[in-house]
Amino acid sequence: GAGVSQSPRYKVAKRGQDVALRCDPISGHVSLFWYQQALGQGPEFLTYFQNEAQLDKSGLPSDRFFAERPEGSVSTLKIQRTQQEDSAVYLCASSLVILAGGPYEQYFGPGTRLTVT
Amino acid sequence: QKEVEQNSGPLSVPEGAIASLNCTYSDRGSQSFFWYRQYSGKSPELIMSIYSNGDKEDGRFTAQLNKASQYVSLLIRDSQPSDSATYLCAGGQNTDKLIFGTGTRLQVFP
Repeated sequence: GAGVSQSPRYKVAKRGQDVALRCDPISGHVSLFWYQQALGQGPEFLTYFQNEAQLDKSGLPSDRFFAERPEGSVSTLKIQRTQQEDSAVYLCASSLVILAGGPYEQYFGPGTRLTVT
Repeated sequence: QKEVEQNSGPLSVPEGAIASLNCTYSDRGSQSFFWYRQYSGKSPELIMSIYSNGDKEDGRFTAQLNKASQYVSLLIRDSQPSDSATYLCAGGQNTDKLIFGTGTRLQVFP
């Protein structure tokens, strides 16, 4: 079946611009995660949804970052007034289960490479 | 600060050999562990998950978990040049977010 999809794949923004990154999870997957990956590093957690509820946003680096998943499916990560330090790959992952017992695997989309100039 | 530690490598092994990748974690609450493979310029691809102490085998891959030692490893048998990639270790509390290591770069030479 179809995997996680993300758009755009590449985004160049001038400093100060707002950007919106979209994630379409695997059909039926309840949980959706956003991660940020800098060059040479592992992905770092940003935020997590279970259906439409944002259960954890502790990883969002500043109040310029905002995420939503209004209908419990597609999610959008918005970055306002972009800064050069926001340049990174933004990864979305989805996971099927929310109940005890698993499985708990997270499957990643292709990512959006954001470059702020 | 919850951490997952990996040797950054590169780990170089000849084709056909066993590659051994290691990872330690600090959060004793972590219950689920995963190995992801990431090719340059691509996103992480899940290759193994392990939840219980002991070994789990899938094809050429074996994951090992020792919760008492807070240690996870991945063995790749009969390594192929196509296995050359960065391998990311990650741990989490089941449905929660994953904490990733920085990855170990594996090079398999012919």
